[in-house]
Amino acid sequence: RKEVEQDPGPFNVPEGATVAFNCTYSNSASQSFFWYRQDCRKEPKLLMSVYSSGNEDGRFTAQLNRASQYISLLIRDSKLSDSATYLCVVRFPYGQNFVFGPGTRLSVLP
Amino acid sequence: DGGITQSPKYLFRKEGQNVTLSCEQNLNHDAMYWYRQDPGQGLRLIYYSQIVNDFQKGDIAEGYSVSREKKESFPLTVTSAQKNPTAFYLCASSIDLELHSGNTIYFGEGSWLTVV
Repeated sequence: RKEVEQDPGPFNVPEGATVAFNCTYSNSASQSFFWYRQDCRKEPKLLMSVYSSGNEDGRFTAQLNRASQYISLLIRDSKLSDSATYLCVVRFPYGQNFVFGPGTRLSVLP
Repeated sequence: DGGITQSPKYLFRKEGQNVTLSCEQNLNHDAMYWYRQDPGQGLRLIYYSQIVNDFQKGDIAEGYSVSREKKESFPLTVTSAQKNPTAFYLCASSIDLELHSGNTIYFGEGSWLTVV
């Protein structure tokens, strides 16, 4: 079993749609969780941290379910500029401890 | 500006040559990392370093070497032993490896290496 798994994608959605990304992680002792965004041929950039109570930043909402070892990212009213690959990142309590999921690619279509 | 600087951005290597990718950070971070990304694939960890003069192998260290002589610098050498080095290489840093809130990972802009 992979340590961090994500929806395989790609997701192709029309502008204005709501889209949800899912991520599961294998280590129940994981402490910190993040969503990163990676544009084509660019470096990953932090989109948002994920807090236990859930958190929102504009059109983006992140949720954490520790019991199910599951993280989600919801994008509302999607824009063309949201097209990118979304990476789930989990901090495991050992080794180099930033573990990346494979990413889910999103294309928002006009 | 604070950040991570990688150079060169594009590099071509002949078969059998070693090449070194530079990574410098002025964020005063203790931990530094090198990742490799192949087209359409996720990030794979090559090496990481928690502190000066110390580094650890990641998942795909074979054919690569690193050094950490200064806190700010973590160069990666792609040796001729690396069978398929064509990829996008990303350097990253974090405050340290401790699990405290706000400690996340930041990336440089990456280096594209092509074997010709």
